[in-house]
Amino acid sequence: TQLLEQSPQFLSIQEGENLTVYCNSSSVFSSLQWYRQEPGEGPVLLVTVVTGGEVKKLKRLTFQFGDARKDSSLHITAAQPGDTGLYLCAGSQGNTPLVFGKGTRLSVIA
Amino acid sequence: KAGVTQTPRYLIKTRGQQVTLSCSPISGHRSVSWYQQTPGQGLQFLFEYFSETQRNKGNFPGRFSGRQFSNSRSEMNVSTLELGDSALYLCASSSIPAGGRAFFGQGTRLTVV
Repeated sequence: TQLLEQSPQFLSIQEGENLTVYCNSSSVFSSLQWYRQEPGEGPVLLVTVVTGGEVKKLKRLTFQFGDARKDSSLHITAAQPGDTGLYLCAGSQGNTPLVFGKGTRLSVIA
Repeated sequence: KAGVTQTPRYLIKTRGQQVTLSCSPISGHRSVSWYQQTPGQGLQFLFEYFSETQRNKGNFPGRFSGRQFSNSRSEMNVSTLELGDSALYLCASSSIPAGGRAFFGQGTRLTVV
């Protein structure tokens, strides 16, 4: 059973478009992290959200943690080819290892 | 500060052999976690070490083992390799155990033939 479900699995869009990817669970997490992974590399942390309802912005990326701390979303405005990669969400339930979703593979076409 | 270093980057082994992968965490980090990444299953947790002690273990068979040394470097070993063990093995280091900000290495791509 996958604790964190990410959708969509694949996304191919044109440069300049907006997009949202989702990370959902039936479990409550004390914090949630978003990573981006490029081919041949390990995941790189983008943001950590810890408070229900929290919104964090990182340039054109907006991250939101659900009020009940069971879900999260990542919105990218005016996507660029450099945004291409595998986006992973990972949840922490306190003193337990991070649980990862399977990821959303994003391709931004110039 | 140097990042997380994993060696080797690529490895090809035959079924039945055993393999050892190495991970050097960021200086000062005492927590090291190992993950297996496959296209079908995503990142799956293998085990976590903190100050030479295994704190958590994922749902993998006993063929998968690991250890951590006093300098925080970690190794994982897979014995009696199976085709299904082909994957990217990622190591992550953190200053605190379990759920802290994790810094990943580039991974070791293991192919079992």
